[in-house]
Amino acid sequence: AQSVTQPDIHITVSEGASLELRCNYSYGATPYLFWYVQSPGQGLQLLLKYFSGDTLVQGIKGFEAEFKRSQSSFNLRKPSVHWSDAAEYFCAVGDSGGSNYKLTFGKGTLLTVNP
Amino acid sequence: DAGITQSPRHKVTETGTPVTLRCHQTENHRYMYWYRQDPGHGLRLIHYSYGVKDTDKGEVSDGYSVSRSKTEDFLLTLESATSSQTSVYFCAISDWDRSGETQYFGPGTRLLVL
Repeated sequence: AQSVTQPDIHITVSEGASLELRCNYSYGATPYLFWYVQSPGQGLQLLLKYFSGDTLVQGIKGFEAEFKRSQSSFNLRKPSVHWSDAAEYFCAVGDSGGSNYKLTFGKGTLLTVNP
Repeated sequence: DAGITQSPRHKVTETGTPVTLRCHQTENHRYMYWYRQDPGHGLRLIHYSYGVKDTDKGEVSDGYSVSRSKTEDFLLTLESATSSQTSVYFCAISDWDRSGETQYFGPGTRLLVL
């Protein structure tokens, strides 16, 4: 069964600092990978996704993520964090087997941004 | 926002009462999903639908049922609500583009079972 691990429950960074959120997955075939962001009291917004091709994917709000098959990782990065990036971030892996399609989520990383 | 609305957005109910949550979409998506979100657990799939009257269970389906009598509506029912079902419930749809399939989420329903 597929699974996703986000090792960091809570990360605090200063505004303007760089950010890397870790995501490791377990999946038997080529994974479909996603990062979502959730602001307090809001739904989940898609940041970026990887299906195939270029292993470095660009998303919205200046985020990028790199798929590394050898490390089973899909880490999210941003070169300079803004106070508005404070939110919870979820990594997810997609199961494309059969006639249905399901996502398995990590437990999330809460990002706090200090002024 | 993929044209997804959820109702109600907030609900307080008592243990043992039935509760129905509604997900409505306006873009004719075939696949729809119900998730629950709890602290420390991320999102977990309850049920999903792959067409009208076609549904299947997810990983946390006990105590929940669903129905989909028309494409645009996917209903989640708690037959007899329990305190363990206090959660935030999200509906999602699948949308395809040339690169693959992506799920988009509704705004959520916050349910408190007393």
